[in-house]
Amino acid sequence: ILNVEQSPQSLHVQEGDSTNFTCSFPSSNFYALHWYRWETAKSPEALFVMTLNGDEKKKGRISATLNTKEGYSYLYIKGSQPEDSATYLCAFSGGTSYGKLTFGQGTILTVHP
Amino acid sequence: DAGVTQSPTHLIKTRGQQVTLRCSPKSGHDTVSWYQQALGQGPQFIFQYYEEEERQRGNFPDRFSGHQFPNYSSELNVNALLLGDSALYLCASSLPGGVAKNIQYFGAGTRLSVL
Repeated sequence: ILNVEQSPQSLHVQEGDSTNFTCSFPSSNFYALHWYRWETAKSPEALFVMTLNGDEKKKGRISATLNTKEGYSYLYIKGSQPEDSATYLCAFSGGTSYGKLTFGQGTILTVHP
Repeated sequence: DAGVTQSPTHLIKTRGQQVTLRCSPKSGHDTVSWYQQALGQGPQFIFQYYEEEERQRGNFPDRFSGHQFPNYSSELNVNALLLGDSALYLCASSLPGGVAKNIQYFGAGTRLSVL
């Protein structure tokens, strides 16, 4: 059974704060790591797909890093805004190119004005 | 360009009934995956369809079955519904071939309540 763990489970920050969350995953048989943002009543939206150890990706104020050898990824949000409030999910894919995604339970971020 | 569409958005069934959920993938996508999200958990992989065949399956009983049509749309069928099947069912599509490295585009889901 694959375990993908995210921490913290929830986070409350003030507008303008920077924040980060962690995703840990099995370090063996790694193929890709996905990050999604999921706002209430909407579809999960892909943020990043990361495949290489040491990968860093950036999209606006959001960035992510990947360490496949130790099995973790960090997601950073710089200068949080209320519209960043959402559930952030990471998902691990291992083994084959068409492998299923195994999701963590998510981190719920609330940004207070 | 429409994204991934799912129907219906909400559904109420009683125990023992059968249900069919539908998914139309994003234009140009040929691979469809289905996920179940129970309250407080991350989505769990049910199965994936490619070229009208089930390519990979998660840890779900045979009561869960699916189908993919020549136009790449897909159905998820659940027989003999249990209370524990109450969940949000998500469909995701991706570009041809590899799924693991390609972005998966999700629909907004079908909320199933079993009474």
